[in-house]
Amino acid sequence: SQQGEEDPQALSIQEGENATMNCSYKTSINNLQWYRQNSGRGLVHLILIRSNEREKHSGRLRVTLDTSKKSSSLLITASRAADTASYFCATAPSGYSTLTFGKGTMLLVSP
Amino acid sequence: NAGVTQTPKFQVLKTGQSMTLQCAQDMNHNSMYWYRQDPGMGLRLIYYSASEGTTDKGEVPNGYNVSRLNKREFSLRLESAAPSQTSVYFCASRTLDRGLYEQYFGPGTRLTVT
Repeated sequence: SQQGEEDPQALSIQEGENATMNCSYKTSINNLQWYRQNSGRGLVHLILIRSNEREKHSGRLRVTLDTSKKSSSLLITASRAADTASYFCATAPSGYSTLTFGKGTMLLVSP
Repeated sequence: NAGVTQTPKFQVLKTGQSMTLQCAQDMNHNSMYWYRQDPGMGLRLIYYSASEGTTDKGEVPNGYNVSRLNKREFSLRLESAAPSQTSVYFCASRTLDRGLYEQYFGPGTRLTVT
């Protein structure tokens, strides 16, 4: 069964706007990761946040983690058309050996 | 570095046929994974190999077998393909070095079973 569930399933915005995607999960985790998948390609790792961290930044990406609510959010600021892709959260349990992926959010950024 | 490579890129099989999907990584990673991706389902883990010489079942192992041939290569075999195995298959790998958790993915194999 899938651990992470992203929300919304699809998001359409204009270039320059911010995009926020949410992920909820069910069991305790060691870390939570976000990946991007361009159409027809493999997944690419974006950012990782550990269970003892609350917020992390990487360039235009900001990730938050609330372990009490078992939720995370990914914010992409000043979106570009090149950010059009599907975004997946993935959770790693304690003693991490595997990741469990959510179903993803499809982001469309229009010029 | 090529990263994670997968062959073939596309394959069409008839029901009952067998085939092996190949995966290789040149990053000296310890762990390797096979996933399938279906529309609206995200990625689901089929099998994984935490280190050379070990393999374990994931969430959806039925109908598949794997072989960790050496540290670089991890193959996925469909012994008797079924239409339900039509999917995109991704191989991934990661190091076991402390603090490094991200997985690196191959480009995928698109399999259709008719």
